[in-house]
Amino acid sequence: EAGVAQSPRYKIIEKRQSVAFWCNPISGHATLYWYQQILGQGPKLLIQFQNNGVVDDSQLPKDRFSAERLKGVDSTLKIQPAKLEDSAVYLCASSRQGVNQPQHFGDGTRLSIL
Amino acid sequence: DQQVKQNSPSLSVQEGRISILNCDYTNSMFDYFLWYKKYPAEGPTFLISISSIKDKNEDGRFTVFLNKSAKHLSLHIVPSQPGDSAVYFCAASAWGNDMRFGAGTRLTVKP
Repeated sequence: EAGVAQSPRYKIIEKRQSVAFWCNPISGHATLYWYQQILGQGPKLLIQFQNNGVVDDSQLPKDRFSAERLKGVDSTLKIQPAKLEDSAVYLCASSRQGVNQPQHFGDGTRLSIL
Repeated sequence: DQQVKQNSPSLSVQEGRISILNCDYTNSMFDYFLWYKKYPAEGPTFLISISSIKDKNEDGRFTVFLNKSAKHLSLHIVPSQPGDSAVYFCAASAWGNDMRFGAGTRLTVKP
């Protein structure tokens, strides 16, 4: 089966600009996740969708980050305006519906803020 | 708050020997634990998991042990191979939600 697809792979912007990331999960996976991974740390969950509904966004900085999954498949994550501390790899993952399902990750988007 | 901790940033072992990676957690509500392997410039790859009703799960060369009373889990790789060299992340979740990751341990397997 095809894996989780993410684009772009790399993005360089200046602070205060906006940026968007796209994710296409594995076919049939109802649950989609966005993570932020800062260098030297483990991934940190930003938001979790079940189909097109939000399950958990408690760690999403809602003043500048937003995410949507309108048709229950693809998802976009947006940052507006970006800050220097947003420099990180943004990972998308998906899993089958149900508890105790492993998450499968895309290769991520590396974001650098100048 | 670091609910999942990997206290060893790095580990080096000889090819053919056992690699043991350790992970501690603080949240007693965690009921599902996973190990992921990550190569540079790639996303984490699922390796093996264990639910809180078990204390051991095996898959080929990989075995995960869970000690609930100590809130500790470990990943054993036997025998270790050079291709196992990667960063290994421990992760845990409660009721399928709010997965937390450790900071990772970089494993180097020397030929």
